[in-house]
Amino acid sequence: GESVGLHLPTLSVQEGDNSIINCAYSNSASDYFIWYKQESGKGPQFIIDIRSNMDKRQGQRVTVLLNKTVKHLSLQIAATQPGDSAVYFCAEGAGYQKVTFGIGTKLQVIP
Amino acid sequence: NAGVTQTPKFQVLKTGQSMTLQCAQDMNHNSMYWYRQDPGMGLRLIYYSASEGTTDKGEVPNGYNVSRLNKREFSLRLESAAPSQTSVYFCASSKQGVNNQPQHFGDGTRLSIL
Repeated sequence: GESVGLHLPTLSVQEGDNSIINCAYSNSASDYFIWYKQESGKGPQFIIDIRSNMDKRQGQRVTVLLNKTVKHLSLQIAATQPGDSAVYFCAEGAGYQKVTFGIGTKLQVIP
Repeated sequence: NAGVTQTPKFQVLKTGQSMTLQCAQDMNHNSMYWYRQDPGMGLRLIYYSASEGTTDKGEVPNGYNVSRLNKREFSLRLESAAPSQTSVYFCASSKQGVNNQPQHFGDGTRLSIL
């Protein structure tokens, strides 16, 4: 989830288990949501997106769920692997050039 | 398949020095962006260019200038660097705006101002 502190919230998951990363968004007018993965020393990498007219979208081993009622977004990663260790953050888009990024959650996969 | 390329990867400056961060994309995208990433904060938009020939301020433009040199290249300039500008800078591009399409990011420039 989100954090107002300097340290990212951390989720530790056993290899092979499923991971669920949560994000609360702030703008009721946001109509497009994106999950990014950022590995250490790298730039953010697009994982999956969802538009506000959908509740769920699936990709390869990932699923994004959107609950507009409570302004909540989640990313589910199936069968988590060591290569999934990274910081994951959500972004919300509201308008042609406006996107707001969350702080991120650090996912640690325990072998 | 390079995507978004940023140079340099690392830079140390003294307060008051100037420098230009370079960014180029090979995806024929119309829109390009400059962000900074600081601990405990989400990416913050400095400037963006919706299309070749246009630039606009983002959330934190003070102390920066940009140039959209052509469709491929978008540079960020610090005229007189300050310690508060120590950060990781990311360039991104998208086909057309950010509504309903993701941005593609470079691997960043790590900038320290002493």
